[in-house]
Amino acid sequence: DTAVSQTPKYLVTQMGNDKSIKCEQNLGHDTMYWYKQDSKKFLKIMFSYNNKELIINETVPNRFSPKSPDKAHLNLHINSLELGDSAVYFCASSQDVWDASTGELFFGEGSRLTVL
Amino acid sequence: AQKVTQAQTEISVVEKEDVTLDCVYETRDTTYYLFWYKQPPSGELVFLIRRNSFDEQNEISGRYSWNFQKSTSSFNFTITASQVVDSAVYFCALSEDAGGFKTIFGAGTRLFVKA
Repeated sequence: DTAVSQTPKYLVTQMGNDKSIKCEQNLGHDTMYWYKQDSKKFLKIMFSYNNKELIINETVPNRFSPKSPDKAHLNLHINSLELGDSAVYFCASSQDVWDASTGELFFGEGSRLTVL
Repeated sequence: AQKVTQAQTEISVVEKEDVTLDCVYETRDTTYYLFWYKQPPSGELVFLIRRNSFDEQNEISGRYSWNFQKSTSSFNFTITASQVVDSAVYFCALSEDAGGFKTIFGAGTRLFVKA
């Protein structure tokens, strides 16, 4: 049973289109994240949500809109896709009470977005 | 502001060699958390270790060992007797606040282990 699952795994689309990536975790964690990994493997945090509330937005363009319908889901919608949006997007989750856990991030398998 | 520097972009070793991956961090907080993650060629990100700022004990897990030194703001990772399966990108990461709302990653070190 996959702990953090994201769909789709691959996404190829044209510039200007709108697309969404879905993420679900079955670990009972309170905190979820989106990270972007570029072609040079650099991992950058985009958003973090705690109990459905936005905690961190790392100066991500408004074209990116995360939505958390409940604490087990964090979806990412991207409007007006640009070439520079091509990357692997990783969803992750963690407990927010670190005394009770190792504090690790549990990552999904990643969604590779290619914008043509 | 928090920052993680992994100065080694790529390292190439021959199987059975020992290799050390360097990690230097910057933070103004007195309480923080350091991590190492592994990303094999298959692409998933795998947690390896977490170390709290108040616990400077080094740790050994099989062929892996970690050296945490607050005096030099370093958290280095050594693989002993490397194997081909160790080939991966290794990321050092830092979180300043309990709850991990913002864990930032270094640029990663790509390790090639040749047979």
